[in-house]
Amino acid sequence: EDQVTQSPEALRLQEGESSSLNCSYTVSGLRGLFWYRQDPGKGPEFLFTLYSAGEEKEKERLKATLTKKESFLHITAPKPEDSATYLCAVQAGSGGSYIPTFGRGTSLIVHP
Amino acid sequence: SAVISQKPSRDICQRGTSLTIQCQVDSQVTMMFWYRQQPGQSLTLIATANQGSEATYESGFVIDKFPISRPNLTFSTLTVSNMSPEDSSIYLCSVGQGIGAGELFFGEGSRLTVL
Repeated sequence: EDQVTQSPEALRLQEGESSSLNCSYTVSGLRGLFWYRQDPGKGPEFLFTLYSAGEEKEKERLKATLTKKESFLHITAPKPEDSATYLCAVQAGSGGSYIPTFGRGTSLIVHP
Repeated sequence: SAVISQKPSRDICQRGTSLTIQCQVDSQVTMMFWYRQQPGQSLTLIATANQGSEATYESGFVIDKFPISRPNLTFSTLTVSNMSPEDSSIYLCSVGQGIGAGELFFGEGSRLTVL
């Protein structure tokens, strides 16, 4: 069974204080790992897809990296508008369901 | 990316009643899904809405409780039947794009409170 564990559950940062969110996964043949951002009262917003170990994707202050067991979402010099819940999901490849499995998310609050 | 509109955005319902949530997409899509998001929990897939045929339900979800329609490639409905307080949740419509339809795009969600 595919499993996704995100840590920490919650993270408070000061504006400008860089940090990383973790997504550990167990999946039978990874097809893709996805990061989403969810603001309160809204649906998740797609951020990145990573397909293979060593791959990196960047968008503004966010950078996602991938190893064979986990992914990190690095946030550089965050701003209050980066406050949101960040969700990670994995999609199995060979023999697995194509439906992504989601983690519970990390709630990020960035204080000005 | 597709633009997805859901309604209602929120509702308060009485125990034993049913509510239908509508999802409209601005382009034709093959893969459309319904998710549930309970407080503090991860997104849970209810079913895949199949155009022109019965939806494919995940373990723990049944058609009698969550009937789904998908008359065409841009529209779907999810009904939550005979509601109880345990059905209080956010229900999300999503469409899959990208390789293997793994990249999901979501509507704003429908927040249901059952009294």
